[in-house]
Amino acid sequence: ETGVTQTPRHLVMGMTNKKSLKCEQHLGHNAMYWYKQSAKKPLELMFVYSLEERVENNSVPSRFSPECPNSSHLFLHLHTLQPEDSALYLCASSPRLAANIQYFGAGTRLSVL
Amino acid sequence: AQSVSQHNHHVILSEAASLELGCNYSYGGTVNLFWYVQYPGQHLQLLLKYFSGDPLVKGIKGFEAEFIKSKFSFNLRKPSVQWSDTAEYFCAVNGSMEYGNKLVFGAGTILRVKS
Repeated sequence: ETGVTQTPRHLVMGMTNKKSLKCEQHLGHNAMYWYKQSAKKPLELMFVYSLEERVENNSVPSRFSPECPNSSHLFLHLHTLQPEDSALYLCASSPRLAANIQYFGAGTRLSVL
Repeated sequence: AQSVSQHNHHVILSEAASLELGCNYSYGGTVNLFWYVQYPGQHLQLLLKYFSGDPLVKGIKGFEAEFIKSKFSFNLRKPSVQWSDTAEYFCAVNGSMEYGNKLVFGAGTILRVKS
């Protein structure tokens, strides 16, 4: 266990559904991240939050909407996804934003039908 | 643009064989280098890291990596692999300016060790 918990572990949704992914960390970290992991591709950084403020948005489509209500929780709200959005979505946290080791959750395996 | 290249996507070895996984990055400034490992069904976890000092770093489970600045490389090695080393290995780089203080990952190398 890394101290970063993601729920659900698996999610199947249709293209018209709305769902949310949840990430929770009890490490006292100030920075949290969402990554997308697709087969045979590098991990893609999607969003970065530092002290609950979004500091990075890597040209992610608006059908992905992050939310960070406090420094321990991070959500990824999903709406009108496409089949190519099927992937493993990883959450990570680090003590602070710059030049630190990141601790990863186990991920949510998302399948969009 | 910054990038991290891992030379092989799939590697198959027999137990006790030696391992070397290649990693090259494209950035000339000060970098921090990492290898992460993801065992089947488990989360990504840090294997080893290089921030400064001795360019040969030791990690967990007998792994080591060597930072060669002139070659922009950070290859991962293990003298004798075990079946339990079967996993996916990711090289990652965190720089200061060009990388914007974020981790940039390679595509990963899937290692399968035959018993």
